[in-house]
Amino acid sequence: KQEVTQIPAALSVPEGENLVLNCSFTDSAIYNLQWFRQDPGKGLTSLLLIQSSQREQTSGRLNASLDKSSGRSTLYIAASQPGDSATYLCAVMNTGFQKLVFGTGTRLLVSP
Amino acid sequence: NAGVTQTPKFQVLKTGQSMTLQCAQDMNHEYMSWYRQDPGMGLRLIHYSVGAGITDQGEVPNGYNVSRSTTEDFPLRLLSAAPSQTSVYFCASSSRQDHTEAFFGQGTRLTVV
Repeated sequence: KQEVTQIPAALSVPEGENLVLNCSFTDSAIYNLQWFRQDPGKGLTSLLLIQSSQREQTSGRLNASLDKSSGRSTLYIAASQPGDSATYLCAVMNTGFQKLVFGTGTRLLVSP
Repeated sequence: NAGVTQTPKFQVLKTGQSMTLQCAQDMNHEYMSWYRQDPGMGLRLIHYSVGAGITDQGEVPNGYNVSRSTTEDFPLRLLSAAPSQTSVYFCASSSRQDHTEAFFGQGTRLTVV
């Protein structure tokens, strides 16, 4: 059974710092990995999608990497801003299934 | 482009009542699914569908029913609400193409008293 873990559970940083969020998964037979952002009381917004054949994806100040063999992904946020404050969720889709398995998220607070 | 639309946004039910959570998508996606989100447990899959007329159970299906009569709609029915079903419910859709990026609705916050 696929299990997804996100570390740390919470993170508080001053504005301007570069930071890394971690995601690990137990079964390397994944189809893709997706990073989401969730604001309090809101839905999930897709940030980056990495296919199993890819090593990384970039969007603006965000960069996500994938090491399938070791079961790890990282989300790098450059020059953090207060508007980045949210919960970040990692989810994997196993091969052969159209279902996502989620981690419990990292709650990020960026202080001005 | 509305994406994935869920109604209602909030609902309070009494134990034993039934209700249907609505989900509609306008992206012609084949795949649709329902998740519930509980504190400390992340999102867990309730039911999913790979196309009209096809549904299957996810990780936590007990107490819920689904049907998929059209590509656009995927309603979730609570048969007899229980306090353990107090949660935030999210509907998602994705395409067989587009590398199966998942799109989520804004959620329905359900409280069962």
